[in-house]
Order: sequence, then structure tokens, then C-alpha cells
Amino acid sequence: RKEVEQDPGPFNVPEGATVAFNCTYSNSASQSFFWYRQDCRKEPKLLMSVYSSGNEDGRFTAQLNRASQYISLLIRDSKLSDSATYLCVVSGGYNKLIFGAGTRLAVHP
Amino acid sequence: GAGVSQSPSNKVTEKGKDVELRCDPISGHTALYWYRQSLGQGLEFLIYFQGNSAPDKSGLPSDRFSAERTGGSVSTLTIQRTQQEDSAVYLCASSFLGFGNGYTFGSGTRLTVV
Repeated sequence: RKEVEQDPGPFNVPEGATVAFNCTYSNSASQSFFWYRQDCRKEPKLLMSVYSSGNEDGRFTAQLNRASQYISLLIRDSKLSDSATYLCVVSGGYNKLIFGAGTRLAVHP
Repeated sequence: GAGVSQSPSNKVTEKGKDVELRCDPISGHTALYWYRQSLGQGLEFLIYFQGNSAPDKSGLPSDRFSAERTGGSVSTLTIQRTQQEDSAVYLCASSFLGFGNGYTFGSGTRLTVV
């Protein structure tokens, strides 16, 4: 079983739609959680951290369910510029981060 | 520097040759990480440095891979006797102390072994 599992997609949505991505992780000892965004042929960039109480950053909302070892990302009012791959990331041992394989989002006009 | 700098950005090498990839982290960042990403795949952890020491090198795929960091700054990843399966994008990231605020990645070195 992979340490971080995500639906690869692609999710094809129209502009203005709300879309949600989920991921599950296997290590119950993980303490830190993030969503990264990766554009085609570019490096991953931090989108947002994920906190236990849930957190919001503009159109983006992240939720964490430690009991179920489940993380979600909600994007409201999708823009064309949101088209990218979204990587679910959890902490592993020794200060390293474990990356999921990503969920691809394509927003169309 | 302003960001994590990696060189070269692209490298094409013949099977069996050695290659060296360089990473220059953000100034003051004590933690440095190497990952690789094969086409269409997720990021695979290779090695983590805290200062000049590597407490976790569990991701290095074989003894052909080695890495060092000097002066708590620049790191080089060396691949000896390259194989075609080594073809990937090699990404370096740095952070201050640990991953608490996530990492900042460089733009990577795209390695192609022919």
C-alpha cells in the first residue's frame, strides 16, 4: 500500500465549479500535512498547510481527519489558472515529506 | 540566494557515464532534500541533509547514488555508471530546520540517460 494515496483524476470541471480532492495516508504518526500544486514540467509549490481544525485560504479549504487518516482540499469558483496537479503531502520520519502521486485538475471555459 | 538553484537544468548522458547534479539552497536553510520524479510519477524521496550530515539516506536506490553537502550549503548528488532507469527529474528542496512550513523546491535537473 502506498503511504499517500490519491485519485489520479483527471477532474475536468467548468470555470466556476466547486471541486474536491481527497487523499488517505497510512502513517498514523504523521504530524504535518500539506497540499502542493505542480504545474506541467514545473517544480511543486506549496499551496497550503493543513491544520487539524481545518483552514481556508481564499477559495481553497483544507480539512484533516486524523481518525480516518484522510485529508481533503476544496476549491470553490474554479479558475482556468487552477488547472494543475495537486499533491497531497504528509510528514514521514526524520523531517521528510511523503508526496502522493497527485490529482490532475483541468478547468475548462 | 532568493530561491533554490539547481544545475544543470538539463543533462543528457550516455549509459555508463557518471553525472553530478548540483543544488544551491536558500541562504540560511539548514535542511536540504533530494527527490526524483519519473515521468508521470510522484516524488520519490532520496536523501535528507541537516547541515552537512545525512541522517536519512534511505531513499537512495543503489550504491551508484551518493550525495554530499559542504559548508552547510551546496549539495551535489552523484550517480555513477548511469542506467536508463535513472532518467528522471531530480528535485532539490530546502527548508529552515525542518518541514514545518513546507519545503521550497528548485526547478530541477532533467536527466536523460541514452
